[in-house]
Amino acid sequence: NFMLTQPHSVSESPGKTVTISCTRSSGIIASNYVQWYQQRPGSSPTTVIYEDNQRPSGVPDRFSGSIASSSNSASLTISGLKTEDEADYYCQSYDSSNHWVFGGGTKLTVL
Amino acid sequence: EVQLVESGGGLVQPGGSLRLSCAASGFTFSSYEMHWVRQAPGKGLEWVSYISTSGSSIYYADSVKGRFAISRDNAKNSLFLQMNSLRAEDTAVYYCAREDDYGALYFDYWGQGTLVTVSS
Repeated sequence: NFMLTQPHSVSESPGKTVTISCTRSSGIIASNYVQWYQQRPGSSPTTVIYEDNQRPSGVPDRFSGSIASSSNSASLTISGLKTEDEADYYCQSYDSSNHWVFGGGTKLTVL
Repeated sequence: EVQLVESGGGLVQPGGSLRLSCAASGFTFSSYEMHWVRQAPGKGLEWVSYISTSGSSIYYADSVKGRFAISRDNAKNSLFLQMNSLRAEDTAVYYCAREDDYGALYFDYWGQGTLVTVSS
């Protein structure tokens, strides 16, 4: 099984752009899709990016996803930061041994 | 509107058992693979278990294998998690989650969660 490693926390000012990384420990990042979930305090997770870079309907285009083979990682970028974006963000992928894997989560503070 | 409503959580002693339920509505339950995902207090998300549409394929996280059992009743649009030999480290909010039907292997809808506390 592989692990997905995220920074514990990031912070940025309103209106700015922030990028959260998710590094796969073994295997190839492109071998399985990466998803990103947003979890606001006291709420259930919701999907903001699926299939590496696809946005569900209703998610603003300020949210974008990408993968980079060079660093074996995925990234979530949020532009034009708003205070409502303050939340925990989790990356997730699938392990071919029939396990689903989450990153440890990143707390985004918009200050 | 897709709805997933968990129930059955509560306080249980170490070594005890609990059965969680998830009532699904707003979609054709029998056509979707389903999961349980948990979140310990102040911690991150942890995948727990998967069940295929017919229940013929089932997978577990290593941390719960041999102690937990996932099942479903498609006639009643319900998902279950039987939890036995509970440990303090099983304390968490347990979410029922629907897997997408495009094969991307992710969770497109989540319930509100039910809290399980394992303590003496």
